[in-house]
Amino acid sequence: EVQLVESGGGLVQPGGSLRLSCVASGFTFRSYWMHWVRQVPGKGLVWVSRINSDGSITTYADSVKGRFTISRDNAKNTLYLQMNSLRAGDTAVYYCARPRLVVGAPDFDSWGQGTLVTVSS
Amino acid sequence: EIVLTQSPGTLSLSPGERATLSCRASQSVSSSYLAWYQQKPGQAPRLLIYGASSRATGIPDRFSGSGSGTDFTLTVSRLEPEDFAVYYCQQYGSSPPYTFGQGTKLEI
Repeated sequence: EVQLVESGGGLVQPGGSLRLSCVASGFTFRSYWMHWVRQVPGKGLVWVSRINSDGSITTYADSVKGRFTISRDNAKNTLYLQMNSLRAGDTAVYYCARPRLVVGAPDFDSWGQGTLVTVSS
Repeated sequence: EIVLTQSPGTLSLSPGERATLSCRASQSVSSSYLAWYQQKPGQAPRLLIYGASSRATGIPDRFSGSGSGTDFTLTVSRLEPEDFAVYYCQQYGSSPPYTFGQGTKLEI
């Protein structure tokens, strides 16, 4: 069974930093691109970032470019999101998501339970 | 960036009825890379439909997707009580960002 378990969320002041983790199990993690998607409570889904299978290619939404860094440790089956210079607008539940296929365009058939990040003074 | 507009914002129906949800894209979605997700309160989204019309694993056949280009539809043929939720469309055919619609709330 595919499992994605996020952690690392919490309350942080504006301008602060936080690192999210997503531990994967039940599939060959090192073969898949992985993504982060966020959702303001009560609002819609927003794609944040992606990373390829070996970590050499990363892409970001314009809203987080230059502030967030996605990375992975395939030996630990773990995906990360380092978030710096946090703003109130970054407050959201952050999900890690796995595409349905190893190769090809990403529709997401596996999601973590999400971790809540709250940016407030 | 492709903008997806879902309608209606809220759909009020009863169990046993048919639901039709719309998703319109600001430009053509390549190769029909359009997905539909269901989300219930406090839960992560669940993939229902990919490639505009293919059901994901384990999804009941009362869920169906159709459309191409800029106009897509999710149909639930006979609503069950557990189908009342928020539904999102997502395009994933072009380069990132992979955008989502704003959602349609299906309520009793």
